[in-house]
Amino acid sequence: QSALTQPASVSGSPGQSITISCTGTSSDVGAYNYVSWYQQHPGKAPKLMIYEVSNRPSGVSNRFSGSKSGNTASLTISGLQAEDEADYYCCSYTSSSTWVFGGGTKLTVL
Amino acid sequence: QLQLQESGPGLVKPSETLSLTCTVSGGSISDANSYWGWIRQPPGMGLEWVGTIYYTGNSYYNPSLKSRVTISIDTSKNQFSLRLSSVTAADTAVYYCARHGKARIDYWGQGTLVTVPS
Repeated sequence: QSALTQPASVSGSPGQSITISCTGTSSDVGAYNYVSWYQQHPGKAPKLMIYEVSNRPSGVSNRFSGSKSGNTASLTISGLQAEDEADYYCCSYTSSSTWVFGGGTKLTVL
Repeated sequence: QLQLQESGPGLVKPSETLSLTCTVSGGSISDANSYWGWIRQPPGMGLEWVGTIYYTGNSYYNPSLKSRVTISIDTSKNQFSLRLSSVTAADTAVYYCARHGKARIDYWGQGTLVTVPS
């Protein structure tokens, strides 16, 4: 299985909005609404930010939102804050009963 | 609050077998709503799903690692384990254990660095 495709980096200024894409295939992202997003700060374990495409776990800011169209999922962060600077990964369940991550996107808050 | 803790050697020689155990506390590993997985991250690189096991013993592996990976579960000890055989320097990574479902990985261990010298 191939890793999901994410941009290597994105950037934005405080207060702005950014969107990170995650492109897969009809066997993973396009097959189910089992896409999740993770935030990882350096030296830390990843943190769940979005699950089932667009659901936020308790405690995650509503500045984080997710969506999906066809084989591409997206994570949008609005009202960027300095603390949002981190690596972001998407993940999808697949039709082969496996899981696959995206390559990761480094978010820089300018 | 569910907690997961990885344990095992931090250094493994090339061609040998990497063995890690994840101890689950604050909840039961026999929870029918949970899968238990291993995810790894080479230094400076992205996350890679290694494999997952269900409390029944059903296991699922990354196709690229399948020939070398075995994940087992011990419900009496509330633990699950990873064995990765014939390791090389490319297997050097932080290994995380985690609880997940099909749609989310919601509890992660702190991660443990395993180094395979080249």
